[in-house]
Amino acid sequence: GAVVSQHPSRVICKSGTSVKIECRSLDFQATTMFWYRQFPKQSLMLMATSNEGSKATYEQGVEKDKFLINHASLTLSTLTVTSAHPEDSSFYICSASPGMDIQYFGAGTRLSVL
Amino acid sequence: GENVEQHPSTLSVQEGDSAVIKCTYSDSASNYFPWYKQELGKGPQLIIDIRSNVGEKKDQRIAVTLNKTAKHFSLHITETQPEDSAVYFCAASRKDSNYQLIWGAGTKLIIKP
Repeated sequence: GAVVSQHPSRVICKSGTSVKIECRSLDFQATTMFWYRQFPKQSLMLMATSNEGSKATYEQGVEKDKFLINHASLTLSTLTVTSAHPEDSSFYICSASPGMDIQYFGAGTRLSVL
Repeated sequence: GENVEQHPSTLSVQEGDSAVIKCTYSDSASNYFPWYKQELGKGPQLIIDIRSNVGEKKDQRIAVTLNKTAKHFSLHITETQPEDSAVYFCAASRKDSNYQLIWGAGTKLIIKP
């Protein structure tokens, strides 16, 4: 149980294009989903927290117009990187929580912007 | 705010030996302490967690201990195997921060055959 599916696992795009990443909880309902960014050899950096049907709460320094988050249902959240640029290249990871404290993570998405 | 320190940054042990990774936290209100294993190019995998009402928890070769007074918790892996090689992260969270995880810096565990 507690499977979180994240797609795509890898994406390469041209500068200026938008990329959408999906995060699905497969066997539980996620009251809260989180989006993280991870730089090489570093810990995870929280970007935003989203609750189903509500606007996402973004961490300081994260541009909400740049990183659009939609938590449309209790099993699906999407992160759209708009007008991507090379500096947006990174490893993006989502997590989902069935409630309270536990977070289960997706496999991550490696974004490369050319 | 909460701060989580993790040591060591790298740990190399002989296959079959035990490995111990330690974390300290600063916020006495933190009440949930998970450990994650992250393999290269993958997302973190929850391997064990402990809540503040418990001092120790064990799952086969993995155990976690919590000392609330000293504000530190440790991951213990016994009879290490090559597949235990990965980066391990500790984290801490509390209810009134929406259970936002505060992460340690990670420990790269290397199991020598």
